[in-house]
Amino acid sequence: DAGVTQSPTHLIKTRGQQVTLRCSPISGHKSVSWYQQVLGQGPQFIFQYYEKEERGRGNFPDRFSARQFPNYSSELNVNALLLGDSALYLCASRGAGTNTGELFFGEGSRLTVL
Amino acid sequence: DQQVKQNSPSLSVQEGRISILNCDYTNSMFDYFLWYKKYPAEGPTFLISISSIKDKNEDGRFTVFLNKSAKHLSLHIVPSQPGDSAVYFCAASPRTSGTYKYIFGTGTRLKVLA
Repeated sequence: DAGVTQSPTHLIKTRGQQVTLRCSPISGHKSVSWYQQVLGQGPQFIFQYYEKEERGRGNFPDRFSARQFPNYSSELNVNALLLGDSALYLCASRGAGTNTGELFFGEGSRLTVL
Repeated sequence: DQQVKQNSPSLSVQEGRISILNCDYTNSMFDYFLWYKKYPAEGPTFLISISSIKDKNEDGRFTVFLNKSAKHLSLHIVPSQPGDSAVYFCAASPRTSGTYKYIFGTGTRLKVLA
């Protein structure tokens, strides 16, 4: 079975541009979360979606937005990019009935803002 | 405000010996804790979790201990193997919130020496 897949894996943007990152969860998983990992730090929660509804939002500005589609895939959008948005963006999915509360992470999209 | 702290950025252990990774938290609402392992260029991989109703959980070579009064948890790896060399993150969440909004520590880089 395929794990969580993210695209693109690497991308370079300039300040002020907009970026869209994509995520496909593990088949059957209805919950998708997005995390930002800046170099030297742990992942920081951005959003969680479940059944296409936003279930949680981290302490990020409104430039960050996300959505989940009927097939449970998700997009993360960041507008008006700043240098500080350079990071690894991780998507994670979770299945119902997972007793451990485990999140399954993708390999991430590494964004560099110049 | 760092709610989950991993005060040791790095740790070196001889192969076959015990590795002990520590994590402290400040939020008394946290009641669910996980450990993740991360290799370079990969997403974090779930290792083990523990609920606040327990003080110990074991899975093969990995054991997590939780001391609620001290707001401290630790991950023991016995015996340590070279393949365990990675960055380890602890994460915490108020599980009852229904949102799996995990707060991650900054990570500890473990190096197991052959």
